[in-house]
Amino acid sequence: KNEVEQSPQNLTAQEGEFITINCSYSVGISALHWLQQHPGGGIVSLFMLSSGKKKHGRLIATINIQEKHSSLHITASHPRDSAVYICAVPYSGAGSYQLTFGKGTKLSVIP
Amino acid sequence: EPEVTQTPSHQVTQMGQEVILRCVPISNHLYFYWYRQILGQKVEFLVSFYNNEISEKSEIFDDQFSVERPDGSNFTLKIRSTKLEDSAMYFCASSVPDRRTYEQYFGPGTRLTVT
Repeated sequence: KNEVEQSPQNLTAQEGEFITINCSYSVGISALHWLQQHPGGGIVSLFMLSSGKKKHGRLIATINIQEKHSSLHITASHPRDSAVYICAVPYSGAGSYQLTFGKGTKLSVIP
Repeated sequence: EPEVTQTPSHQVTQMGQEVILRCVPISNHLYFYWYRQILGQKVEFLVSFYNNEISEKSEIFDDQFSVERPDGSNFTLKIRSTKLEDSAMYFCASSVPDRRTYEQYFGPGTRLTVT
């Protein structure tokens, strides 16, 4: 089973700051998910990436498959970015579809 | 935009009762999943379903759990005799997997409270 570690667990930032959340996993994969969970509990998929970098608005995700590491960056952070950000990878490595999740990083952006 | 829906949004039940959680996946998706999240803990995989049968299940998915796709649109999770520790948020997800991409779309979740 793939093991997923995220850091930091909690992050408080001032509005406008650049934010980085890290994710490491133990078993080689073909793609990695970044998800956002709001206080109400719903989960939204932000990115799925298998190599390099993806950008969506102020969010940037990068992955290094060889090093088994991914980062999620938020530029010009805003209070509405406050949420839990979760990294998820295939449960048992490349070829499996179900996901195993990190514990999440709780981000609070203060005005 | 198509989305995964789940009902009910919140279910309260007494210990020992049976509950059925319902999900309507996106219509052209082929893989279906149930995950759960106990309050304060990480999301955990329960079971995946493909071609009308379970394709993989975790150690959590024991004999008290079952899944079915009764009518080609709904995908249900049944817990036969609920326990206090079954209290959690249950998420359904669906995907159209191919060799390179298997992005999963999550439903809003059902919060199950067992008293």
